[in-house]
This record gives sequence, structure tokens and C-alpha cells, in this order.
Amino acid sequence: KQEVTQIPAALSVPEGENLVLNCSFTDSAIYNLQWFRQDPGKGLTSLLLIQSSQREQTSGRLNASLDKSSGRSTLYIAASQPGDSATYLCAVLRAGNNRKLIWGLGTSLAVNP
Amino acid sequence: DTGVSQDPRHKITKRGQNVTFRCDPISEHNRLYWYRQTLGQGPEFLTYFQNEAQLEKSRLLSDRFSAERPKGSFSTLEIQRTEQGDSAMYLCASSLVRGVADTQYFGPGTRLTVL
Repeated sequence: KQEVTQIPAALSVPEGENLVLNCSFTDSAIYNLQWFRQDPGKGLTSLLLIQSSQREQTSGRLNASLDKSSGRSTLYIAASQPGDSATYLCAVLRAGNNRKLIWGLGTSLAVNP
Repeated sequence: DTGVSQDPRHKITKRGQNVTFRCDPISEHNRLYWYRQTLGQGPEFLTYFQNEAQLEKSRLLSDRFSAERPKGSFSTLEIQRTEQGDSAMYLCASSLVRGVADTQYFGPGTRLTVL
């Protein structure tokens, strides 16, 4: 059974710091892994998607890596800003016919001015 | 087409009432998913459709829940006899499955509050 774990559960940093969010998954049979952002009471915004054959993806100040063999992904946020404050969720797309996303519980990030 | 849309965005209802949510996927996407997210938790899979066929239902989907996708386009999720435990964000996603490529695009969600 696929399980996704995110560490830490919560993180508070001063503005300008570089930070790393971690995601681990137990079954390497995945099609892809996605990082999402969720603001309080809002829906999900997809940040980065990494296909299982890829090692990393970058978008602006965000960089996500994937090590499928070890079941790990990291989301690196450079030069954090107060506007980055949100919950960051990691989800893996299970391989096979029934392609449902399996989610972590998220990391709640607060960037303090 | 600008993305997945959901209606309503917010719904407040009294316990015991029936509610229905609608999801309009991205045009020509053949798969449509429903997820539920409670406060402080990650989303949980409820069900999904391949065109108009409902292919999998989670055990979370009790007999009070029913979902349809009658013409393989929009989908509805109905909850009968709502309970306070049904209060959650209901998320819809769609994707176009081509081989291994499958990116799910999410709508803004419908937040349900059961009083």
C-alpha cells in the first residue's frame, strides 16, 4: 500500500531564507509526483510535476527533485517571501490502471517578514 | 476552456438535507476524479470516472454518496441525509490519459459546511 509522508509538518522561517520540504513514499511504482500549494480554505494550485523518468523540475524560485529508488522528493524554495506562506502538499500518482493520487498531509509554511 | 470549474464554491446546509455538487472538467479530458479534504488533512480519493463509467469507489463513499458523469463530460456528486462529518472541501480533478502521461488538474473545490 502506497503511503506518503511529509516532513516537517510545520515550518516557520524568517523572510529570505532558503528552505527544503521533504516528501517520502513507500512504493516506487509511480507515474509522477506533484507538489501543490494550498492557501487556507482554498483549493489546490499545482506547482511542479516530475515524471517518474525525471530527476528534477524548476519553476522560478522553486526546484523539486525526485529519487524514485529511495522514495524521496524535496521541494526547495529559494529566498522565501511572506507570500510563500501556505500549506505545501506532495502527491504521487500510483502506477497501474487506477491512477489515483496518494497524498501526504502537507507541510504548513510560515514565512515571517 | 480555462480549467476545471466547480459549483457551488461554498455550501452551508442543515444536517439531514441533501446536497449536490457539480464539476465541469477541462474539455476532452477523459478522466474525472473526486477527492475530499477535511481540515488539516491531505485530500482523500473518493471515486473516478473514465468517460461516463465509474471505475472505482473508495470505501469512504458510503451509500449516502452517489456520483454520476452521464455524458462523459460534467459530473455531479450528491450527498443524501448529510451529517456533520461530511463537512469538508470536495475537490474535483480531470486528466487526459495518454499512455503513462496523466496530469490531474484541480478545480477550486466546493466547501461544504453541515450545521
